[in-house]
Amino acid sequence: AQSVAQPEDQVNVAEGNPLTVKCTYSVSGNPYLFWYVQYPNRGLQFLLKYITGDNLVKGSYGFEAEFNKSQTSFHLKKPSALVSDSALYFCAVRDRGGANNLFFGTGTRLTVIP
Amino acid sequence: GAVVSQHPSWVICKSGTSVKIECRSLDFQATTMFWYRQFPKQSLMLMATSNEGSKATYEQGVEKDKFLINHASLTLSTLTVTSAHPEDSSFYICSVREGTLEAFFGQGTRLTVV
Repeated sequence: AQSVAQPEDQVNVAEGNPLTVKCTYSVSGNPYLFWYVQYPNRGLQFLLKYITGDNLVKGSYGFEAEFNKSQTSFHLKKPSALVSDSALYFCAVRDRGGANNLFFGTGTRLTVIP
Repeated sequence: GAVVSQHPSWVICKSGTSVKIECRSLDFQATTMFWYRQFPKQSLMLMATSNEGSKATYEQGVEKDKFLINHASLTLSTLTVTSAHPEDSSFYICSVREGTLEAFFGQGTRLTVV
Protein backbone atom coordinates (compact mmCIF):
# COMPACT_ATOMS: atom_id res chain seq x y z
CA ALA A 1 0.00 0.00 0.00
CA GLN A 2 1.12 3.50 -0.75
CA SER A 3 1.16 6.21 1.87
CA VAL A 4 2.65 9.60 2.50
CA ALA A 5 3.33 11.21 5.85
CA GLN A 6 3.81 14.88 6.52
CA PRO A 7 4.62 14.94 10.22
CA GLU A 8 4.13 18.67 10.72
CA ASP A 9 0.72 20.27 10.38
CA GLN A 10 2.22 23.72 10.70
CA VAL A 11 5.64 25.21 10.02
CA ASN A 12 6.52 28.78 10.90
CA VAL A 13 9.65 30.46 9.62
CA ALA A 14 10.92 34.01 9.56
CA GLU A 15 11.23 35.75 6.21
CA GLY A 16 14.70 35.28 4.77
CA ASN A 17 15.41 32.14 6.77
CA PRO A 18 15.69 28.71 5.16
CA LEU A 19 12.61 26.52 5.29
CA THR A 20 12.05 22.78 5.30
CA VAL A 21 8.76 20.94 4.94
CA LYS A 22 9.09 17.26 5.72
CA CYS A 23 7.69 14.28 3.84
CA THR A 24 8.22 10.55 4.17
CA TYR A 25 6.64 7.91 2.00
CA SER A 26 5.91 4.23 1.77
CA VAL A 27 5.50 2.37 -1.51
CA SER A 28 6.07 -1.18 -2.61
CA GLY A 29 8.58 -0.24 -5.29
CA ASN A 30 10.44 2.82 -6.45
CA PRO A 31 8.35 5.93 -6.19
CA TYR A 32 7.49 8.92 -8.23
CA LEU A 33 7.40 11.84 -5.77
CA PHE A 34 5.80 15.25 -6.08
CA TRP A 35 5.28 18.48 -4.21
CA TYR A 36 2.28 20.71 -4.73
CA VAL A 37 1.27 24.04 -3.21
CA GLN A 38 -2.27 25.20 -2.54
CA TYR A 39 -3.39 28.77 -1.92
CA PRO A 40 -6.76 29.46 -0.22
CA ASN A 41 -9.77 28.27 -2.23
CA ARG A 42 -7.56 27.28 -5.13
CA GLY A 43 -6.51 24.04 -6.75
CA LEU A 44 -3.05 22.61 -6.39
CA GLN A 45 -0.07 23.96 -8.26
CA PHE A 46 2.79 21.68 -9.24
CA LEU A 47 6.15 22.59 -7.69
CA LEU A 48 8.54 19.77 -8.51
CA LYS A 49 8.92 16.04 -9.00
CA TYR A 50 11.41 13.26 -8.57
CA ILE A 51 11.38 10.58 -11.23
CA THR A 52 14.95 9.35 -11.50
CA GLY A 53 18.51 10.60 -11.60
CA ASP A 54 19.88 13.33 -9.36
CA ASN A 55 18.49 13.10 -5.86
CA LEU A 56 18.29 16.88 -5.57
CA VAL A 57 15.41 18.21 -7.59
CA LYS A 58 14.90 21.88 -8.32
CA GLY A 59 11.46 23.26 -8.97
CA SER A 60 9.37 26.38 -9.25
CA TYR A 61 9.76 29.57 -7.15
CA GLY A 62 13.20 28.57 -5.85
CA PHE A 63 12.03 25.40 -4.13
CA GLU A 64 14.01 22.19 -4.17
CA ALA A 65 13.63 18.75 -2.65
CA GLU A 66 16.00 15.93 -1.87
CA PHE A 67 15.11 12.31 -2.46
CA ASN A 68 16.62 10.08 0.21
CA LYS A 69 15.94 6.45 -0.53
CA SER A 70 17.43 5.07 2.68
CA GLN A 71 15.27 7.36 4.81
CA THR A 72 12.31 7.19 2.40
CA SER A 73 12.07 10.95 2.57
CA PHE A 74 11.49 13.78 0.13
CA HIS A 75 11.75 16.98 2.13
CA LEU A 76 10.94 20.30 0.49
CA LYS A 77 13.41 23.11 1.02
CA LYS A 78 14.06 26.72 0.13
CA PRO A 79 17.17 28.69 1.09
CA SER A 80 15.36 31.95 1.83
CA ALA A 81 11.65 32.09 2.62
CA LEU A 82 9.33 34.78 1.31
CA VAL A 83 6.08 35.93 2.87
CA SER A 84 4.39 34.96 -0.38
CA ASP A 85 5.48 31.36 0.20
CA SER A 86 2.85 31.10 2.94
CA ALA A 87 0.45 28.40 1.77
CA LEU A 88 -0.52 24.76 2.19
CA TYR A 89 2.01 22.25 0.85
CA PHE A 90 1.25 18.69 -0.15
CA CYS A 91 3.63 15.84 -0.79
CA ALA A 92 2.36 13.10 -3.11
CA VAL A 93 3.58 9.71 -4.27
CA ARG A 94 2.81 7.30 -7.07
CA ASP A 95 4.10 3.78 -7.35
CA ARG A 96 5.83 3.17 -10.69
CA GLY A 97 4.05 -0.10 -11.18
CA GLY A 98 0.87 0.67 -9.36
CA ALA A 99 -2.32 2.58 -9.84
CA ASN A 100 -2.47 5.67 -11.96
CA ASN A 101 -3.49 8.03 -9.20
CA LEU A 102 -1.55 10.09 -6.70
CA PHE A 103 -1.61 9.58 -2.95
CA PHE A 104 -1.32 12.76 -0.96
CA GLY A 105 -0.01 13.58 2.46
CA THR A 106 -2.19 15.50 4.90
CA GLY A 107 -0.54 18.78 4.07
CA THR A 108 1.66 21.23 5.95
CA ARG A 109 0.68 24.83 6.41
CA LEU A 110 3.69 27.07 5.99
CA THR A 111 3.58 30.53 7.48
CA VAL A 112 6.40 32.91 6.72
CA ILE A 113 6.58 35.67 9.28
CA PRO A 114 7.65 39.12 8.06
CA GLY B 1 1.66 22.20 -18.36
CA ALA B 2 -1.96 21.47 -19.01
CA VAL B 3 -4.53 24.12 -18.17
CA VAL B 4 -7.54 22.81 -16.28
CA SER B 5 -10.63 24.89 -15.60
CA GLN B 6 -13.43 24.08 -13.18
CA HIS B 7 -16.84 25.66 -13.07
CA PRO B 8 -18.33 26.91 -10.89
CA SER B 9 -15.72 28.05 -8.39
CA TRP B 10 -18.30 28.00 -5.65
CA VAL B 11 -21.93 26.99 -5.35
CA ILE B 12 -24.55 27.06 -2.62
CA CYS B 13 -27.52 24.76 -2.99
CA LYS B 14 -30.47 23.60 -0.98
CA SER B 15 -30.50 20.18 0.59
CA GLY B 16 -32.04 17.62 -1.75
CA THR B 17 -31.09 19.34 -4.97
CA SER B 18 -28.40 18.25 -7.43
CA VAL B 19 -25.31 20.17 -8.44
CA LYS B 20 -23.16 19.70 -11.52
CA ILE B 21 -19.46 20.61 -11.54
CA GLU B 22 -17.57 20.87 -14.82
CA CYS B 23 -13.91 20.16 -15.37
CA ARG B 24 -12.40 21.22 -18.67
CA SER B 25 -8.95 20.53 -20.05
CA LEU B 26 -8.37 23.63 -22.12
CA ASP B 27 -5.24 22.73 -24.05
CA PHE B 28 -4.94 18.99 -23.73
CA GLN B 29 -7.05 16.03 -24.70
CA ALA B 30 -7.50 14.07 -21.52
CA THR B 31 -8.65 10.48 -21.78
CA THR B 32 -8.49 10.31 -18.01
CA MET B 33 -9.45 12.84 -15.38
CA PHE B 34 -9.42 12.47 -11.63
CA TRP B 35 -11.91 13.82 -9.11
CA TYR B 36 -10.82 14.60 -5.57
CA ARG B 37 -12.58 15.79 -2.46
CA GLN B 38 -10.94 17.86 0.22
CA PHE B 39 -12.35 18.48 3.68
CA PRO B 40 -11.19 21.49 5.69
CA LYS B 41 -7.64 21.12 6.92
CA GLN B 42 -7.39 17.68 5.36
CA SER B 43 -5.71 16.17 2.38
CA LEU B 44 -7.16 15.36 -1.00
CA MET B 45 -9.01 12.09 -1.23
CA LEU B 46 -9.43 10.50 -4.63
CA MET B 47 -13.09 9.90 -5.35
CA ALA B 48 -13.02 8.48 -8.84
CA THR B 49 -11.15 8.19 -12.08
CA SER B 50 -13.10 9.50 -15.04
CA ASN B 51 -12.51 7.70 -18.33
CA GLU B 52 -13.52 9.23 -21.64
CA GLY B 53 -16.25 7.24 -23.30
CA SER B 54 -16.60 4.69 -20.53
CA LYS B 55 -17.73 4.33 -16.95
CA ALA B 56 -15.83 5.98 -14.17
CA THR B 57 -13.87 3.96 -11.67
CA TYR B 58 -14.86 4.81 -8.11
CA GLU B 59 -12.74 4.47 -5.01
CA GLN B 60 -13.92 2.30 -2.19
CA GLY B 61 -16.57 3.99 -0.10
CA VAL B 62 -17.63 6.48 -2.76
CA GLU B 63 -21.26 6.13 -3.78
CA LYS B 64 -21.42 5.99 -7.56
CA ASP B 65 -25.13 6.75 -7.58
CA LYS B 66 -24.61 9.86 -5.53
CA PHE B 67 -21.57 11.19 -7.35
CA LEU B 68 -22.34 10.78 -11.02
CA ILE B 69 -19.41 11.23 -13.37
CA ASN B 70 -19.68 11.75 -17.09
CA HIS B 71 -16.65 12.04 -19.35
CA ALA B 72 -18.29 12.50 -22.72
CA SER B 73 -15.41 14.18 -24.52
CA LEU B 74 -11.64 14.45 -24.30
CA THR B 75 -11.90 17.92 -22.82
CA LEU B 76 -14.81 17.72 -20.42
CA SER B 77 -15.69 15.67 -17.38
CA THR B 78 -18.61 16.46 -15.11
CA LEU B 79 -19.33 15.50 -11.52
CA THR B 80 -22.94 15.67 -10.40
CA VAL B 81 -23.70 15.54 -6.71
CA THR B 82 -27.22 14.16 -6.57
CA SER B 83 -29.66 14.86 -3.76
CA ALA B 84 -27.03 16.86 -1.96
CA HIS B 85 -26.98 17.02 1.83
CA PRO B 86 -24.98 19.20 4.20
CA GLU B 87 -22.42 16.44 4.72
CA ASP B 88 -21.59 16.69 1.01
CA SER B 89 -20.32 20.21 1.56
CA SER B 90 -16.69 20.15 0.59
CA PHE B 91 -14.05 21.35 -1.84
CA TYR B 92 -14.04 19.30 -5.03
CA ILE B 93 -11.01 19.34 -7.33
CA CYS B 94 -10.36 17.70 -10.68
CA SER B 95 -7.04 16.94 -12.32
CA VAL B 96 -5.54 15.65 -15.55
CA ARG B 97 -2.19 14.11 -16.33
CA GLU B 98 -0.38 15.24 -19.43
CA GLY B 99 1.63 12.21 -20.39
CA THR B 100 4.46 13.14 -18.07
CA LEU B 101 3.78 12.13 -14.56
CA GLU B 102 2.71 15.23 -12.74
CA ALA B 103 -0.95 16.08 -12.51
CA PHE B 104 -2.48 19.46 -13.23
CA PHE B 105 -5.40 20.61 -11.18
CA GLY B 106 -8.43 22.77 -11.63
CA GLN B 107 -8.97 25.65 -9.26
CA GLY B 108 -11.54 23.68 -7.31
CA THR B 109 -15.23 24.06 -6.53
CA ARG B 110 -16.46 24.83 -3.05
CA LEU B 111 -19.88 23.28 -2.52
CA THR B 112 -22.02 24.37 0.38
CA VAL B 113 -25.30 22.57 0.96
CA VAL B 114 -27.76 24.38 3.20
